[in-house]
Amino acid sequence: EIVLTQSPGTLSLSPGERATVSCRASQSVSSTSLAWYQQRPGQAPRLLIYGASFRAAGIPHRFSGSGSGTDFTLTISRLEPEDFAVYYCHQYGSSPQTFGQGTKLEIK
Amino acid sequence: QLQLQESGPGLVKPSETLSLTCTLSYDSISNSTYFWGWIRQPPGKGLEWIGSIFYSGSTYYNPSLKSRVTISVDTSKNQFSLKLTSVTAADTAVYYCAGRYCDNGVCYAFDPWGQGTRVTVSS
Repeated sequence: EIVLTQSPGTLSLSPGERATVSCRASQSVSSTSLAWYQQRPGQAPRLLIYGASFRAAGIPHRFSGSGSGTDFTLTISRLEPEDFAVYYCHQYGSSPQTFGQGTKLEIK
Repeated sequence: QLQLQESGPGLVKPSETLSLTCTLSYDSISNSTYFWGWIRQPPGKGLEWIGSIFYSGSTYYNPSLKSRVTISVDTSKNQFSLKLTSVTAADTAVYYCAGRYCDNGVCYAFDPWGQGTRVTVSS
């Protein structure tokens, strides 16, 4: 099983700042099989990025993904108030599929 | 636009079977371009993949739950279902159904998701 470890656990930033979330895998992940989701309180996860770097439909350009192998990154270029939420990475190329433990992005 | 909706009991007794259904709107469960799945999230915790099924009936389960899980498709009702046997308090969670779009043998990330249904295991 591929273990995904996200860092930091909590990120405290202000609107307008840049956010960077890391996802490190215990084994190499196909770059076509790494996704990022946003989850707001009381809501289902929402797909942001698939294939490590492709934005899902309707996702603003301030969200971007990068990385390969065992190290992946989600970047939010300029935080908007609605971006404060929990973010998860997800690998779906190896069974069992696994998720990172989540990174909480909170307002500073 | 494809939408998913979970349904089922919100309270299940320990040792009994949890049964949930996911109903599709605006598309057919027999659509071979989607791979259907169940994911759960215990209170205050992260996401755990339970298992997935193709419209054809091929299933894939998380080894940690495999002995207790069955996922099936009912094409007549445009639904797929989850059964989890011998539940304990550790199975208390929000359960989500979701779809993965597939193209030329490559299946992508989960999108869309249902809104989730909360299941509590308690006597």
